Amino acid sequence: KNEVEQSPQNLTAQEGEFITINCSYSVGISALHWLQQHPGGGIVSLFMLSSGKKKHGRLIATINIQEKHSSLHITASHPRDSAVYICAVSTNFGNEKLTFGTGTRLTIIP
Amino acid sequence: GAGVSQSPSNKVTEKGKDVELRCDPISGHTALYWYRQRLGQGLEFLIYFQGNSAPDKSGLPSDRFSAERTGESVSTLTIQRTQQEDSAVYLCASSLGYFSDTQYFGPGTRLTVL
Repeated sequence: KNEVEQSPQNLTAQEGEFITINCSYSVGISALHWLQQHPGGGIVSLFMLSSGKKKHGRLIATINIQEKHSSLHITASHPRDSAVYICAVSTNFGNEKLTFGTGTRLTIIP
Repeated sequence: GAGVSQSPSNKVTEKGKDVELRCDPISGHTALYWYRQRLGQGLEFLIYFQGNSAPDKSGLPSDRFSAERTGESVSTLTIQRTQQEDSAVYLCASSLGYFSDTQYFGPGTRLTVL
């Protein structure tokens, strides 16, 4: 069993829809990261959080430490949001190497 | 300012040859990470450098893999006697090195072993 599990693996939605991607982990963490990878492009860090909730534009990330679960939400989705979204965790303060989920491929149809 | 840069962007090599991949982190970032992403698979950790501390090599898949870092600047990842299963995108990331810090990823080097 992977230490970081994401669901769904693939998600297709219409433009404007509210999107939720889930991440569950089985280990103690120092932080959880949400990353975005565009086709053929590099990886961009969207959020890093260890508690509560963060918001940036149309993106919201939440984490529940007790339940070992995080969600990434996209409001008013747009075709440019189409990408692979990756959840990753670091487990040691002072050594922030990441353990990654397998990613969620999101496609937003105009 | 400049982000993390990696070179070459693409490398095609023959099985059995050695390759060297380079990463230039963001200036001032003391932490540097190497990851790889094989086709159709998730990202996996390879090695981590933090300042002058001994590197965490726990993710290196075999003794054919090694990496060095000069102070808090450039890092090179060397793969000796390459095998076809080494084909992957090799990604470098850097961070300030403080606890729970954002990692900034380079564009990656796509390695193809024929």
